[in-house]
Amino acid sequence: GQNIDQPTEMTATEGAIVQINCTYQTSGFNGLFWYQQHAGEAPTFLSYNVLDGLEEKGRFSSFLSRSKGYSYLLLKELQMKDSASYLCAVREADKLIFGTGTRLQVFP
Amino acid sequence: DSGVTQTPKHLITATGQRVTLRCSPRSGDLSVYWYQQSLDQGLQFLIQYYNGEERAKGNILERFSAQQFPDLHSELNLSSLELGDSALYFCASSASGGALSTDTQYFGPGTRLTVL
Repeated sequence: GQNIDQPTEMTATEGAIVQINCTYQTSGFNGLFWYQQHAGEAPTFLSYNVLDGLEEKGRFSSFLSRSKGYSYLLLKELQMKDSASYLCAVREADKLIFGTGTRLQVFP
Repeated sequence: DSGVTQTPKHLITATGQRVTLRCSPRSGDLSVYWYQQSLDQGLQFLIQYYNGEERAKGNILERFSAQQFPDLHSELNLSSLELGDSALYFCASSASGGALSTDTQYFGPGTRLTVL
């Protein structure tokens, strides 16, 4: 079966670092994506991992371990505008399977 | 702006009615995906079209149907609407329809459907 787990909610302080974890169990794996979604808006693409290791993109980094079925999204130097939901999605063949998302609240 | 457009932005209708949601993919993208997102729920994949042909099906109800036209725009038809169909409906597009693992889906702004 398919199962993607993320914490439901997280809070952090402006300027801090936060790590959002994602574990997955899928029948196939062809890449893992992270999206950001502000309430009522479209998900926007943040990062993509298909090989093990860390991908860095400015303030955001994403890590993948395929053997452990595990990924994390690291957000540095948090800003108020980073308050949003973060969606982990696994590609299985042609389909993207989304987790329910982690709602991050950043406080001043 | 992702380059994916969806109309209308909002739709309010009554139970039992039928509606059509429209999506235009990014220029050059051949694949269109439809998702449903209910309040506090994750994105549920409904259906995918690639270059006019149905490629994959997810949790799409029989009351729902979709098609992709020769100009690559897509329409999602929802019929016999129920209160539970109230949700955000997103369209996404990608270049190769998942044939390449790097294929990224870009989302449109969504259509908010309210069934009263």
